[in-house]
Amino acid sequence: GDSVTQMEGPVTLSEEAFLTINCTYTATGYPSLFWYVQYPGEGLQLLLKATKADDKGSNKGFEATYRKETTSFHLEKGSVQVSDSAVYFCALSERNRDDKIIFGKGTRLHILP
Amino acid sequence: EADIYQTPRYLVIGTGKKITLECSQTMGHDKMYWYQQDPGMELHLIHYSYGVNSTEKGDLSSESTVSRIRTEHFPLTLESARPSHTSQYLCASSEGDSRAYEQYFGPGTRLTVT
Repeated sequence: GDSVTQMEGPVTLSEEAFLTINCTYTATGYPSLFWYVQYPGEGLQLLLKATKADDKGSNKGFEATYRKETTSFHLEKGSVQVSDSAVYFCALSERNRDDKIIFGKGTRLHILP
Repeated sequence: EADIYQTPRYLVIGTGKKITLECSQTMGHDKMYWYQQDPGMELHLIHYSYGVNSTEKGDLSSESTVSRIRTEHFPLTLESARPSHTSQYLCASSEGDSRAYEQYFGPGTRLTVT
């Protein structure tokens, strides 16, 4: 079945460092891909998405490119801030999946000042 | 800012009690979802609804039940709480097809059963 695998955390970086959180997926069809973020004490919120191959989603300085050939959707940011400390979830949604989203297990990110 | 609300935010209750977790959204979304989030942060879908009078079980078996009598309201009930039900419960809603429309999440209810 469909699945999402993302790098395990926690990931700890210093402020202004470069961030990559790896995400790969398995799907039978042609899914849409997402990154959701969960700040402490809150629910999840959509960070960015891509709906077809080679699309790049971007928001708040974060980017991810839909790579069908490597079934990947890695999250990147050039210069992280303390306020980026959160849990990040990679996710996919595929047609005929009853409108469900398949989430990865989440990666906790700590940014040190 | 998403208009989806959950109450209570925190609940500590004894074993055997009946509890209802409330979830409401003011966006007119037809689709609503309940997730259980374990301490390791992994999310598990336990219930979802396509609209009024529609409820389906999710991927993780749960002893909870849900109802959808009004579009905006999707409460979750535990008839007899047990320590194994201790978890974070997140409610979400969506305008349409999950491939194209994001899910909006409430802030969650953290439940502790003693």
